[in-house]
Amino acid sequence: EDQVTQSPEALRLQEGESSSLNCSYTVSGLRGLFWYRQDPGKGPEFLFTLYSAGEEKEKERLKATLTKKESFLHITAPKPEDSATYLCAVTGSARQLTFGSGTQLTVLP
Amino acid sequence: GAGVSQSPSNKVTEKGKDVELRCDPISGHTALYWYRQSLGQGLEFLIYFQGNSAPDKSGLPSDRFSAERTGGSVSTLTIQRTQQEDSAVYLCASSWTGLDQPQHFGDGTRLSIL
Repeated sequence: EDQVTQSPEALRLQEGESSSLNCSYTVSGLRGLFWYRQDPGKGPEFLFTLYSAGEEKEKERLKATLTKKESFLHITAPKPEDSATYLCAVTGSARQLTFGSGTQLTVLP
Repeated sequence: GAGVSQSPSNKVTEKGKDVELRCDPISGHTALYWYRQSLGQGLEFLIYFQGNSAPDKSGLPSDRFSAERTGGSVSTLTIQRTQQEDSAVYLCASSWTGLDQPQHFGDGTRLSIL
């Protein structure tokens, strides 16, 4: 059974204080690891897909990296508008998308 | 708009009633998914449609839940004889092809069972 564990559950940062969110996973035959952002009352918004260990993707202040056991979402110099819940999900040979419980990020001005 | 559209956005109903939730996927997307998100919980997979293949129903929690997709486009999730534990946000997503592709989500239907 595929499993995804995200840490920390919640993170409070000052504006400009860089940090990383962790996503540890167990999956048989990784087909893709996905990062989403979810704002209150909204559906998840797609950020990145990573397919193989060593791969990196960047978008504005966000950078996602992937190893064989975990993925990191690095946030550089965050702004208050980066406050959201960040979700990690994996799909493998089980042919389902399994989500973690998310990290709730708050960036204080 | 060009995104996934779900209706209604909110639904309040009495225990024991049937409800239907609708999802309009992004045009051209062949794959469609339903998830459930309970307060403080992660997304729980319910059902997956891919093209003309038989749907993957392995996530449906009971036989009170069913879903169909007509004409490879619009999907309806039906919950019969609703129970209070069915209260949650029901999210629909679509993707170009299958699970290797990013899924694009609607904003969900918030279902409250009184």
